[in-house]
Amino acid sequence: EVQLVESGGGLVQPGRSLRLSCAASGFIFDDFAMHWVRQAPGKGLEWVSGISWDSGSIVYADSVKGRFTISRDNARNSLYLQMNSLRAEDTALYYCAKGSEVVPVSYGMDVWGQGTTVTVSS
Amino acid sequence: QSVLTQSPSASGTPGQRVTISCSGSSSNIGDNYVYWYQQLPGTAPKLLIYRNNQRPSGVPDRFSGSKSGTSASLAISGLRSEDEADYYCATWDDSLSVWVFGGGTKLTVL
Repeated sequence: EVQLVESGGGLVQPGRSLRLSCAASGFIFDDFAMHWVRQAPGKGLEWVSGISWDSGSIVYADSVKGRFTISRDNARNSLYLQMNSLRAEDTALYYCAKGSEVVPVSYGMDVWGQGTTVTVSS
Repeated sequence: QSVLTQSPSASGTPGQRVTISCSGSSSNIGDNYVYWYQQLPGTAPKLLIYRNNQRPSGVPDRFSGSKSGTSASLAISGLRSEDEADYYCATWDDSLSVWVFGGGTKLTVL
């Protein structure tokens, strides 16, 4: 069974940093792209970033470009999101999602984790 | 405002067929696969339709997807109370080089 378990969320002050992790199991991790998608309280889904199987292709939403960095460790079956210069508008439930192909472009997400909550507030 | 436009709400009675639409442009829906996700209250999104009209294993054939030009649709036949959820369309946008989601449609089963 494919499982994605996010961790690392919490309450953080504006301007500070946070690193999210996603532990993957039940599939060959380095055969697929991975994504981060977030959902602000009471709002819809917003794609944040995607990374190809080999980290050779990385894409970001404009809202996080230059502040967030996605990475993966295929040896550890793990996905990460380093979030710097956090803002109140980054407050959301952050989902890790498995891509359906090796690249994050054109081919979407097929399995989602349960999410980890990030709250940015002073 | 979302790049992909969905009606905020839809409704139907048990057994009915409902359709949820998603409107985009040539740079997104017009040129890329459309995906549909179901989000039940308090849960993570679940893939319903991929590559415009393909159903993952385990998704009932009551759910079907279609695409025509720059619009896509999700149809649910034989509506059930457990179908009450938020539904989102998504696709890659070639011009923006990002994944875009519709604003979501809240389906109510009356």
